[in-house]
Amino acid sequence: DIQMTQSPSSVSASLGDRVTITCRASQGVSSWVAWYQQKPGRAPKLLIYAASYLQSGVPSRFSGSGSGTDFTLTISSLQPEDFATYYCQQASSFPQTFGQGTKLEIK
Amino acid sequence: EVQLVESGGRSVQPGESLRLSCATSGFTFSNYWMHWVRQAPGRGPVWVSRINSDGTIINYADSVKGRFTISRDNANNTLSLQMNSLRAEDTAVYYCARDRILGATLENWFDPWGQGTLVTVSS
Repeated sequence: DIQMTQSPSSVSASLGDRVTITCRASQGVSSWVAWYQQKPGRAPKLLIYAASYLQSGVPSRFSGSGSGTDFTLTISSLQPEDFATYYCQQASSFPQTFGQGTKLEIK
Repeated sequence: EVQLVESGGRSVQPGESLRLSCATSGFTFSNYWMHWVRQAPGRGPVWVSRINSDGTIINYADSVKGRFTISRDNANNTLSLQMNSLRAEDTAVYYCARDRILGATLENWFDPWGQGTLVTVSS
């Protein structure tokens, strides 16, 4: 199975900050990466698919980039509702696999 | 509004069986691939199983193959997961999720998800 490794595992930031989370695949996955946001007690929510495509209804402050093995999720200006855990997921190879998560906390 | 509502989760002993259901509404269920994804406490999500729109293509994660059975009832817009020979490591919140795009194409992007149902396997 392809391993998805996220860094950092947790990050503290302030409102208005720009934050970048990275995800590295154990082998090339082309652009077959998605990003999800999960708040405590809630289901994950799709933010980005195919590495850089913004899912409908997701604010434009979220963006994704990368291809091959290295991917990033960027939040351009943190809002209060953005403090959550973020997961990357690859869909290039069966079975699809998720990263271990990055918890974004308020500084 | 698209809705997915899971039910059936509870505490069971190792070796027992359980059937989860996912009732859907707000979209044409019979047009989509559907998935089960689980998440153990404090861990990342793990994909479990998927089924195509008419139920003729089914896949499982190795960890559940031979023990779990996914099925769908397109007449009643319902997805199911029959879980047999449950183990402690099956303890998790189980989510049903729709594939992002309709039709025969499979993207494996999960959107939306249900609220989840908790399965606890413990003696």
